[in-house]
Amino acid sequence: GQNIDQPTEMTATEGAIVQINCTYQTSGFNGLFWYQQHAGEAPTFLSYNVLDGLEEKGRFSSFLSRSKGYSYLLLKELQMKDSASYLCASMDSNYQLIWGAGTKLIIKP
Amino acid sequence: SAVISQKPSRDICQRGTSLTIQCQVDSQVTMMFWYRQQPGQSLTLIATANQGSEATYESGFVIDKFPISRPNLTFSTLTVSNMSPEDSSIYLCSAVSGDRQEQFFGPGTRLTVL
Repeated sequence: GQNIDQPTEMTATEGAIVQINCTYQTSGFNGLFWYQQHAGEAPTFLSYNVLDGLEEKGRFSSFLSRSKGYSYLLLKELQMKDSASYLCASMDSNYQLIWGAGTKLIIKP
Repeated sequence: SAVISQKPSRDICQRGTSLTIQCQVDSQVTMMFWYRQQPGQSLTLIATANQGSEATYESGFVIDKFPISRPNLTFSTLTVSNMSPEDSSIYLCSAVSGDRQEQFFGPGTRLTVL
């Protein structure tokens, strides 16, 4: 079957590092996406991993292990504006995204 | 990257009426999708809008309730028919262009049914 799991909510401190984990089960796996969604806004693209390993993009990095069905999003030097929901989504062989429920990240001063 | 616009941005409708949401992309895209998102929840795929043919609906969604058109590679509409309060949600249009895997989203349409 198709399934995505990620924590419901996480809290971190401004300036710190946080890792948001995601596990997936997707038939015909075609890549793993991370999106950021601020309240009341549409999701915006953060990263796409299709090969194993770490992809770094500024303060944000994303990791994928295909054999383990596992990914994480790493946010460094957290800022208050990073408070948002982070959605993990896997793409199947039909180019459709299977979405996780999202992780609400709360940043405290 | 593709820029996607949606109209209307929000609407308040009466039970039993229908609303058509328009989605316009600023460039030709290969695939377009319609999603629904309830407050505090993740996205639920309604259907894939196919250019020149009938949309492909996900389980739990039917054409009579959510008719979709896609007359060309840059435009699609979603109609929410015979609305009930349970249809109150945010409806999002998205698109994938060329061989890029990234899916771009429109700003969403916030629908409230009374």
